[in-house]
Amino acid sequence: ILNVEQSPQSLHVQEGDSTNFTCSFPSSNFYALHWYRWETAKSPEALFVMTLNGDEKKKGRISATLNTKEGYSYLYIKGSQPEDSATYLCAFRSNTNAGKSTFGDGTTLTVKP
Amino acid sequence: NAGVTQTPKFRILKIGQSMTLQCTQDMNHNYMYWYRQDPGMGLKLIYYSVGAGITDKGEVPNGYNVSRSTTEDFPLRLELAAPSQTSVYFCASSLTAYNEQFFGPGTRLTVL
Repeated sequence: ILNVEQSPQSLHVQEGDSTNFTCSFPSSNFYALHWYRWETAKSPEALFVMTLNGDEKKKGRISATLNTKEGYSYLYIKGSQPEDSATYLCAFRSNTNAGKSTFGDGTTLTVKP
Repeated sequence: NAGVTQTPKFRILKIGQSMTLQCTQDMNHNYMYWYRQDPGMGLKLIYYSVGAGITDKGEVPNGYNVSRSTTEDFPLRLELAAPSQTSVYFCASSLTAYNEQFFGPGTRLTVL
């Protein structure tokens, strides 16, 4: 079983704060790392697909970086808004079995107005 | 495109009953997945498929079976339902292992 860990488990910030959280994964046999956003009572939706060491992706106020050599990815949210409140999941795929996707338990972000 | 559809949305089963959760995608995706989400936990992979006729176990396959006779459909079968199978079940699909997964709306199952 692959170990994919996300920290912190939950985060409470004020509107306008910037925040970041971490996804840690095995540093060997990397294939791909995906970030998803999961709002309450909805289904997860993809944010980023990251495949190369040093990848940096950005979508509006949200960005992500990838370090495959040390086995971590950061998700950053600049100027958090209440609508950013959601659980953010990362999913790791190993090149020993790329069809199998292992999710972390997520970081739940609450942004207070 | 409807994307990924799942039926039913909700179901209550008695211990020992069986049922099939249906999943269909209309995006011609090769990969399909079944996950369960227990309260306070993330998504655990039950089974996945890399194409029609090919399935493999995920992290938590015990008590479940799958089949993939067509590209579009990936049903999940629960035999002899147990209270431990009370969960929300999500089906997902992706074009390749690189690509992002698209999720269905989920099925909330309660076993009493």
